[in-house]
Amino acid sequence: NAGVTQTPKFRVLKTGQSMTLLCAQDMNHEYMYWYRQDPGMGLRLIHYSVGEGTTAKGEVPDGYNVSRLKKQNFLLGLESAAPSQTSVYFCASWGANVLTFGAGSRLTVL
Amino acid sequence: AQSVTQLDSQVPVFEEAPVELRCNYSSSVSVYLFWYVQYPNQGLQLLLKYLSGSTLVKGINGFEAEFNKSQTSFHLRKPSVHISDTAEYFCAVLNFNKFYFGSGTKLNVKP
Repeated sequence: NAGVTQTPKFRVLKTGQSMTLLCAQDMNHEYMYWYRQDPGMGLRLIHYSVGEGTTAKGEVPDGYNVSRLKKQNFLLGLESAAPSQTSVYFCASWGANVLTFGAGSRLTVL
Repeated sequence: AQSVTQLDSQVPVFEEAPVELRCNYSSSVSVYLFWYVQYPNQGLQLLLKYLSGSTLVKGINGFEAEFNKSQTSFHLRKPSVHISDTAEYFCAVLNFNKFYFGSGTKLNVKP
């Protein structure tokens, strides 16, 4: 089925470790987004991309980096994980007037 | 920056009763408006959207929402809720290529 796929689904890190979350979409969408979801705070935009090779900062970009080397992939990186980055991360892509979400990646930083 | 306000963090309601979940947004410029639903441990699914045209928008599962430009609101309604509607609901605004979400409203439908 067409959609947005996130890997991994779960990850536990120690403070200071690095990791990358991968988002892949097969709908040929130009626009892709990374959000974090924390209780009582809704979804907050970390970074987004309006096309291959482009990235832009969202509301809470500090501590994260992103890359969009291929149109179908949008990577979210944590260079030095902190406990404040414990969250559920959602990737989404926008096209045909629909924002489609992945199933989420739950990250715990100890 | 755009802001989206969902005043009710939790709404308890009995099965078959009507419900309204409130959403207000800050921008006065043209925006696209959405409601999403999230069931436990799942991603977000689109309920309905307003892009233009009729201010009353019908979505899936019997939900509808009304766009009110003068009050900058986009309230979600359902005339008769079911136990299966228990979930968290998010209002969202698309403004200048970015989606802004409210903090969510947890709908708890009781038998």
